[in-house]
Amino acid sequence: NAGVTQTPKFRVLKTGQSMTLLCAQDMNHEYMYWYRQDPGMGLRLIHYSVGEGTTAKGEVPDGYNVSRLKKQNFLLGLESAAPSQTSVYFCASSRGDRRKRTEAFFGQGTRLTVV
Amino acid sequence: GEDVEQSLFLSVREGDSSVINCTYTDSSSTYLYWYKQEPGAGLQLLTYIFSNMDMKQDQRLTVLLNKKDKHLSLRIADTQTGDSAIYFCAESRDGNDMRFGAGTRLTVKP
Repeated sequence: NAGVTQTPKFRVLKTGQSMTLLCAQDMNHEYMYWYRQDPGMGLRLIHYSVGEGTTAKGEVPDGYNVSRLKKQNFLLGLESAAPSQTSVYFCASSRGDRRKRTEAFFGQGTRLTVV
Repeated sequence: GEDVEQSLFLSVREGDSSVINCTYTDSSSTYLYWYKQEPGAGLQLLTYIFSNMDMKQDQRLTVLLNKKDKHLSLRIADTQTGDSAIYFCAESRDGNDMRFGAGTRLTVKP
């Protein structure tokens, strides 16, 4: 089982460039999330989705857009990258069943550097 | 906004017990979690506790919750070198929007 797979694992962008991070899960999970991890700050929720075709803002959504066209994929877009978006990005998914919602499965992360 | 706080570093000797502490501010928290992150990997759920419980034990792991003081702890008995990792405390009201602490880096010395 692949679980949650993030692509790419590393990327260096120049300020103003755009890119899309792809998250794919093969567990038929309803909920998917994008977090960013910065030193000394833990994980902060950027956007999340509770099902195909739906998205919602998290704690730090500015500068990012997301799409959930297919249940298994959750895309995170940066339209015009800024150095403040240098971070490690984690995708996660969870079942969405109230009994099982407690466990989120995480991808291995994407380390993004904006210069 | 609501905060989750934990100390950044903990160092113990192999075979000792480790206790990682966490405090949170949201009195509406329903779920409290401990995640483990090994180098270069994503977060892996270790254990969780519902807010109506005060203790949960799972093999070497013991979670204690003091809801009145909004204090959560994770005790690892007989700590091994393989337990070296970053441990994140997290809380959530409904299981969708988790708020994480900054993580405690546990170093286990042989």
